[in-house]
Amino acid sequence: DTAVSQTPKYLVTQMGNDKSIKCEQNLGHDTMYWYKQDSKKFLKIMFSYNNKELIINETVPNRFSPKSPDKAHLNLHINSLELGDSAVYFCATHSRGTEAFFGQGTRLTVV
Amino acid sequence: AQSVTQLGSHVSVSEGALVLLRCNYSSSVPPYLFWYVQYPNQGLQLLLKYTSAATLVKGINGFEAEFKKSETSFHLTKPSAHMSDAAEYFCAVSESGNEKLTFGTGTRLTIIP
Repeated sequence: DTAVSQTPKYLVTQMGNDKSIKCEQNLGHDTMYWYKQDSKKFLKIMFSYNNKELIINETVPNRFSPKSPDKAHLNLHINSLELGDSAVYFCATHSRGTEAFFGQGTRLTVV
Repeated sequence: AQSVTQLGSHVSVSEGALVLLRCNYSSSVPPYLFWYVQYPNQGLQLLLKYTSAATLVKGINGFEAEFKKSETSFHLTKPSAHMSDAAEYFCAVSESGNEKLTFGTGTRLTIIP
């Protein structure tokens, strides 16, 4: 039973489209994150939610909108996709005193 | 603000040789430090973490790291490299353990048969 699951694993789409990535965790953790890994493997935080409340928004274009319907889910919706949005997006969770657990990633390719 | 520097974006070692991956951190408070490993097309898996207990931390797969406050370092080592260790390794820092992770730029480890 996967602790942090993301769907889809691969996503290929055209510029200008709108797409969503979903994340679900069954660890009961309070905090969920979205990280972006670029083509050079650099990982950077995008958003953090704690108990459905947005805590961190790291200078991400407002075309990216996270939504947390409940503590176990954090989805990422992206409007008007651009070529530069191509990356691997990782969902992660943790609670106080534990390490972060990562999903398997969603490889987004914008063509 | 916290930051992490990983020296060497690529490291190659022979099978059976010592693995040493370097990580230096900057933090205004006592840090929580982590090493994660990423295998091709996979997510990140925790190797080990330092949370202000013992300065020598043992992790999975024979890896260990030593926290040296005077050098602001948290280098990762393994006495004898195995082919299966080939992967990307990330050092990360978190303030208080309840904050976002700030990652280094990663080190790709290649094992030479």
